[in-house]
Amino acid sequence: QKEVEQDPGPLSVPEGAIVSLNCTYSNSAFQYFMWYRQYSRKGPELLMYTYSSGNKEDGRFTAQVDKSSKYISLFIRDSQPSDSATYLCAMNTGFQKLVFGTGTRLSGQS
Amino acid sequence: GAVVSQHPSWVICKSGTSVKIECRSLDFQATTMFWYRQFPKQSLMLMATSNEGSKATYEQGVEKDKFLINHASLTLSTLTVTSAHPEDSSFYICSARDLNATAGISYEQYFGPGTRLTVT
Repeated sequence: QKEVEQDPGPLSVPEGAIVSLNCTYSNSAFQYFMWYRQYSRKGPELLMYTYSSGNKEDGRFTAQVDKSSKYISLFIRDSQPSDSATYLCAMNTGFQKLVFGTGTRLSGQS
Repeated sequence: GAVVSQHPSWVICKSGTSVKIECRSLDFQATTMFWYRQFPKQSLMLMATSNEGSKATYEQGVEKDKFLINHASLTLSTLTVTSAHPEDSSFYICSARDLNATAGISYEQYFGPGTRLTVT
């Protein structure tokens, strides 16, 4: 079993819709949870980070962490064609090594 | 924001030759840099952690003699793929951790744009 599981998609979303991206994990020691956006042939860009459980909102993005269920989510409101990218979840225990999910490819429709 | 560059962005080499990839932090000092590889439609896999002035720490299964890492300064780390073979073809990405980052908070890693290596 992988430490972090993420549905690879692709996920096709109409413009203006709400997108829900999710990851599950097995290591209960994970404390820091991140979402990265990666455009094709580019390096990952940090979108959101959350420490422990709870919600965090930044513009159109909301990150949720449910440690009891070992489940994290990223919501994107008012989806735009420019949101088309691969979204990677990543997490760690607070030390330096990040463990990534496989990434979910999002395809926005105009 | 913090910027990390990689050079070259794309390289094609013949089997058996060596290739060097550079990773630079442009506007901050990085005591730690990380090297990842990414296969198509797959996640990033950490290859090694590079600390300035000391030997790199390699992940299990990564050949240290094949993937030579040097972190000679606070702004530069290099990855050399020695005696490259077609199976080494991949997307190599580095990240750098800001010297001034809060201790233990590793989200403060900034990723480079990646280097696509094709071995023929």
